[in-house]
Amino acid sequence: DTGVSQDPRHKITKRGQNVTFRCDPISEHNRLYWYRQTLGQGPEFLTYFQNEAQLEKSRLLSDRFSAERPKGSFSTLEIQRTEQGDSAMYLCASSLGSTGELFFGEGSRLTVL
Amino acid sequence: AQSVSQHNHHVILSEAASLELGCNYSYGGTVNLFWYVQYPGQHLQLLLKYFSGDPLVKGIKGFEAEFIKSKFSFNLRKPSVQWSDTAEYFCAVKSYNNNDMRFGAGTRLTVKP
Repeated sequence: DTGVSQDPRHKITKRGQNVTFRCDPISEHNRLYWYRQTLGQGPEFLTYFQNEAQLEKSRLLSDRFSAERPKGSFSTLEIQRTEQGDSAMYLCASSLGSTGELFFGEGSRLTVL
Repeated sequence: AQSVSQHNHHVILSEAASLELGCNYSYGGTVNLFWYVQYPGQHLQLLLKYFSGDPLVKGIKGFEAEFIKSKFSFNLRKPSVQWSDTAEYFCAVKSYNNNDMRFGAGTRLTVKP
């Protein structure tokens, strides 16, 4: 499968712990996006990379959240000191250029107890 | 700020019925418009997109959407739904000048056999 892959698919953690999600985009895609989706809502934009540069961050992305894409390939999203409100599905998507057509992974579901 | 409104949260139809899902957006500039679909247990995937030209666009599986600029709308239609169309449908808007794609809250479609 050469689509977008995310790991882990499901993470259960206790409040206050740190978690990290990984996303491997489609190999030739230079743009990578992180979204968050909660029940009954559409995906909410968190941040976007073009190659290794993080070009935009949503105001939703508090300072407990950090994302990296060190070599312009895979990306990580880390949440420090998790809170129950962080429970959501974290979606990664990639695209080639600025066409806007995003290819999504299956998501990483975070449950904070 | 951009926003996307999907008027119906849950639509229930019988097979062969016609479908129209509403989508309105608020943004005054040039936009690219999308419908994404999420089948049960699967990731989001593109159904159709509008960038420019003919405002009536056709997508996969017999879906089409019409961009009406004066109404800021991009409604999704299908003349005759099938049981396999049961899924969640998301309208999305990307402004020409920035990189974040905004999604509506989604409409869950249930097609009864």
